[in-house]
Amino acid sequence: DGGITQSPKYLFRKEGQNVTLSCEQNLNHDAMYWYRQDPGQGLRLIYYSQIVNDFQKGDIAEGYSVSREKKESFPLTVTSAQKNPTAFYLCASSARQGSYEQYFGPGTRLTVT
Amino acid sequence: LAKTTQPISMDSYEGQEVNITCSHNNIATNDYITWYQQFPSQGPRFIIQGYKTKVTNEVASLFIPADRKSSTLSLPRVSLSDTAVYYCLVGDIFTGGGNKLTFGTGTQLKVEL
Repeated sequence: DGGITQSPKYLFRKEGQNVTLSCEQNLNHDAMYWYRQDPGQGLRLIYYSQIVNDFQKGDIAEGYSVSREKKESFPLTVTSAQKNPTAFYLCASSARQGSYEQYFGPGTRLTVT
Repeated sequence: LAKTTQPISMDSYEGQEVNITCSHNNIATNDYITWYQQFPSQGPRFIIQGYKTKVTNEVASLFIPADRKSSTLSLPRVSLSDTAVYYCLVGDIFTGGGNKLTFGTGTQLKVEL
């Protein structure tokens, strides 16, 4: 099956701890993205990567970090510097050009207390 | 990316046709129009994409007038399972699937019996 996987589905952390969210795709897509969604809100772009070993900040990158060492993987670290980390995090991928069709993973709901 | 405006919510009944209109007055020549659907606690799903006139697939139709300053997503004979948030996005697909997508708050469609 081709698609995007995110793990875990639910994640609980104590304030002050860094946490890494996993995102893997086997669609052979060049581009990958991380979004954050708060209740009743649209998605906001955190980071995106168009190619391996390259990534750009999105609209709300502060307090987050990413890496893109492999085409298939784009992990997101929520650092202790992120003021309000509790949210629903969505990873997506797409072919590099020619479509706005992004394929989304099932999401990770992070709760920090 | 062109700014889009769409209704916050819409209500309908099963079996009816639903039309959701999106305004994008500053759409650029190279911009395409894309619609996504999102169910609660899931990632958005691509529905349809178009440039002008009419596009139809197995799920929906997209109507785009000649001036392209608005577009209408048409869902034929909706069912309860079409209850979701629908997002309209506008942008140049050829500067990348690596290009940033901007999701607004979308239109919450509620379908009742």
